[in-house]
Amino acid sequence: GENVEQHPSTLSVQEGDSAVIKCTYSDSASNYFPWYKQELGKRPQLIIDIRSNVGEKKDQRIAVTLNKTAKHFSLHITETQPEDSAVYFCAAIRETSGSRLTFGEGTQLTVNP
Amino acid sequence: SAVISQKPSRDICQRGTSLTIQCQVDSQVTMMFWYRQQPGQSLTLIATANQGSEATYESGFVIDKFPISRPNLTFSTLTVSNMSPEDSSIYLCSAAAGVYGYTFGSGTRLTVV
Repeated sequence: GENVEQHPSTLSVQEGDSAVIKCTYSDSASNYFPWYKQELGKRPQLIIDIRSNVGEKKDQRIAVTLNKTAKHFSLHITETQPEDSAVYFCAAIRETSGSRLTFGEGTQLTVNP
Repeated sequence: SAVISQKPSRDICQRGTSLTIQCQVDSQVTMMFWYRQQPGQSLTLIATANQGSEATYESGFVIDKFPISRPNLTFSTLTVSNMSPEDSSIYLCSAAAGVYGYTFGSGTRLTVV
């Protein structure tokens, strides 16, 4: 089955700096890679996703890049703000009938004002 | 995207009893998922629930302990049976919402005393 590794487990940045979180996956057939943000005591919220037919996707201050050859994908947050502080999870899935998401272990991002 | 209502939001239960958690989706979804999340950790998949068939359980989880119902395409329940303090955790349901990815319920914080 799929295995997803996420690094770093904790990340502390100054407000305004950029933050990068990296994930690697094992199943070369995985084709959908979402990123979730989970604030303390709340549900995971989808913030951005990418499918294997593109290499990069951007939404305002958030971007995701995908390298299918190396089997890794990364979340980039620019101009970080204190409200970006949360746990971020990457996930991967091969979108076929009966498939399910495999999550990374999470990254605790702290943005210091 | 699909919106999932989950209840109860929290409960404190006596050991040896059972708790049933409900999730209602505002649209029809093929697959629903049940996760457990320990504080500060990632999401662990308990089982996948498809309408009209038995749930598929992940390694380490069994139907007798975590029976699941999926009576229609908008509703599912997870029962935590014969609870012990080790079952204290956050339980989350999730649904595959087509092109909108996977969304989550708000979670049930269970404490077993």
